[in-house]
Amino acid sequence: AQSVTQPDIHITVSEGASLELRCNYSYGATPYLFWYVQSPGQGLQLLLKYFSGDTLVQGIKGFEAEFKRSQSSFNLRKPSVHWSDAAEYFCAVEAGTYKYIFGTGTRLKVLA
Amino acid sequence: NAGVMQNPRHLVRRRGQEARLRCSPMKGHSHVYWYRQLPEEGLKFMVYLQKENIIDESGMPKERFSAEFPKEGPSILRIQQVVRGDSAAYFCASSPAGEDYEQYFGPGTRLTVT
Repeated sequence: AQSVTQPDIHITVSEGASLELRCNYSYGATPYLFWYVQSPGQGLQLLLKYFSGDTLVQGIKGFEAEFKRSQSSFNLRKPSVHWSDAAEYFCAVEAGTYKYIFGTGTRLKVLA
Repeated sequence: NAGVMQNPRHLVRRRGQEARLRCSPMKGHSHVYWYRQLPEEGLKFMVYLQKENIIDESGMPKERFSAEFPKEGPSILRIQQVVRGDSAAYFCASSPAGEDYEQYFGPGTRLTVT
């Protein structure tokens, strides 16, 4: 069965530090891949998506993600975290069935 | 071009009451999807609808939940006789025909059952 794993439930980084959030998926072919951010009590904001082509994808707010087929991963990165980045981050895949499958999320805390 | 609209944004119901959640897709989108986010969890697919048709309701609880997307008007997710466990955020997404892989999400409706 298709699945998405975000191994880190909580991550804490200092403001200005670099960030990497992990996402692994289980699917036979290459799915469509997404990263969303959700602030408390708010909706989902799309950070970036990967459909095909260049495996390094640039998104909004200075985020980027790299698709690695060999590792079935789509990790999200940011070189320098801002306090406003504190939120919950969800990785999602669409694996040919129109159903988005979401990970359980990683909650990011940013220390001043 | 307005995005996906959901209302109400917050809904409080007592146990046993009915909850009706509405979703207006983006202009030009004919496909609607509903997802549920339980506390501390990711979103889970519930149902996929096209105009006047339920395409896939495999994620819907078997009882008390129903969804529709009429020819005119918004899509409705209806929960009858709500229970505490129905408290969650319900998100609607829409896509154009033929582009199911790219869904645009609404702001969600947060249902609280007291």
